[in-house]
Amino acid sequence: NAGVIQTPRHKVTGKGQEATLWCEPISGHSAVFWYRQTIVQGLEFLTYFRNQAPIDDSGMPKERFSAQMPNQSHSTLKIQSTQPQDSAVYLCASSLAGGNTGQLYFGEGSKLTVL
Amino acid sequence: AQSVTQPDARVTVSEGASLQLRCKYSYFGTPYLFWYVQYPRQGLQLLLKYYPGDPVVQGVNGFEAEFSKSNSSFHLRKASVHWSDWAVYFCAVSRTGGYKVVFGSGTRLLVSP
Repeated sequence: NAGVIQTPRHKVTGKGQEATLWCEPISGHSAVFWYRQTIVQGLEFLTYFRNQAPIDDSGMPKERFSAQMPNQSHSTLKIQSTQPQDSAVYLCASSLAGGNTGQLYFGEGSKLTVL
Repeated sequence: AQSVTQPDARVTVSEGASLQLRCKYSYFGTPYLFWYVQYPRQGLQLLLKYYPGDPVVQGVNGFEAEFSKSNSSFHLRKASVHWSDWAVYFCAVSRTGGYKVVFGSGTRLLVSP
């Protein structure tokens, strides 16, 4: 069991550039979540997929953030026109059974720094 | 909506001493409750989980937590802290049968020699 894999571990972008973060969930897990972690806001829910379908994106900033899950083995989080306030650790998690057990398996995170 | 409050941002404990990290939740009904731990430069790992049943749940590495509906609390305890327990601990709540997990702000545990 390789666990949830996130790439890149660190990304530095200039203001206004695009950043794409990748997540490979644990094989057999049907639920994928994205969270954002900052010192000030803590862990914020961004979005949730179940069986590759987007179920809840209520935590996503609407204008520049988008997430996709084109197949069961990976999900992407894209941030367009990055801003310094987007600097954070982005955590991907997966779960069995549609996520309704509440038990999440997290990746090590992708640390995004926007200069 | 459910929420979680961890009132202590930082707790320092001597190695070998006992530990309690506090967690208060807000939820109408009976929630699922969790404690996760985040070691330096790692993702979050599940320590223990409470599903409706026995109010005292055992976790990994000697951790346990007790659910109290009357106090809306889910405090984490350990009898004897080890230096390797140095980490950030997150309490979390989920709606029964729901998918969204809401996390508290975390408590950083420092272990002194």
